[in-house]
Amino acid sequence: EVQLVESGGGLVQPGGSLKLSCAASGFTFSGSAMHWVRQASGKGLEWVGRIRSKANSYATAYAASVKGRFTISRDDSKNTAYLQMNSLRAEDTAVYYCARGETTVTNWFDPWGQGTLVTVSS
Amino acid sequence: EIVLTQSPGTLSLSPGERATVSCRATQSVSRNSLAWYQQKPGQAPRLLIYGASSRATGIPDRFIGGGSGTDFTLTISRLEPEDFAVYYCHQYGSSLYTFGQGTKLEIK
Repeated sequence: EVQLVESGGGLVQPGGSLKLSCAASGFTFSGSAMHWVRQASGKGLEWVGRIRSKANSYATAYAASVKGRFTISRDDSKNTAYLQMNSLRAEDTAVYYCARGETTVTNWFDPWGQGTLVTVSS
Repeated sequence: EIVLTQSPGTLSLSPGERATVSCRATQSVSRNSLAWYQQKPGQAPRLLIYGASSRATGIPDRFIGGGSGTDFTLTISRLEPEDFAVYYCHQYGSSLYTFGQGTKLEIK
């Protein structure tokens, strides 16, 4: 079964840091791009960033709202992607989803994990 | 950045009726790289349609995607009770990926 499981969410103070993990199973993780998407309570989906595969030089891209504060990485030996979040703000409060993106045959986001909640508050 | 605008924001219909959601892009979506997702409360988005008109695995044929360029539609031919949810369009043709703001399909 193709599956993604996020972890690492929680309560953090403004200005603080948090690192999320996305553990993958059931597909060739090393050949897939991985994305992070977030959703504030009652709001729509916002793309956060992505990391491509080794074949695509692990290229990263970020939304303007998080560029310079968030960093995406991956460990193909552990089938895991990460989202390091620094200088967190109240407006970063959201459920964070990881999703598989580009593979050799697909380019859309599927599957998605169940999400992990990040709350930035004092 | 390609901005996607969905209409209507809310759609109130009854089971058995036909639903149509529109998604308009501010510029042409490369290679019709447009997907539709369904999201129910407390759940992750679920892929329905990719490539503007191809159904994802396991998606019933009442879900129909169409359009090209800057104008896309999602049609649900006959609504089932489980179809009442929020629907998002999403373009993945540009490396600045974007989503529509969502359309809530509610029971009338």
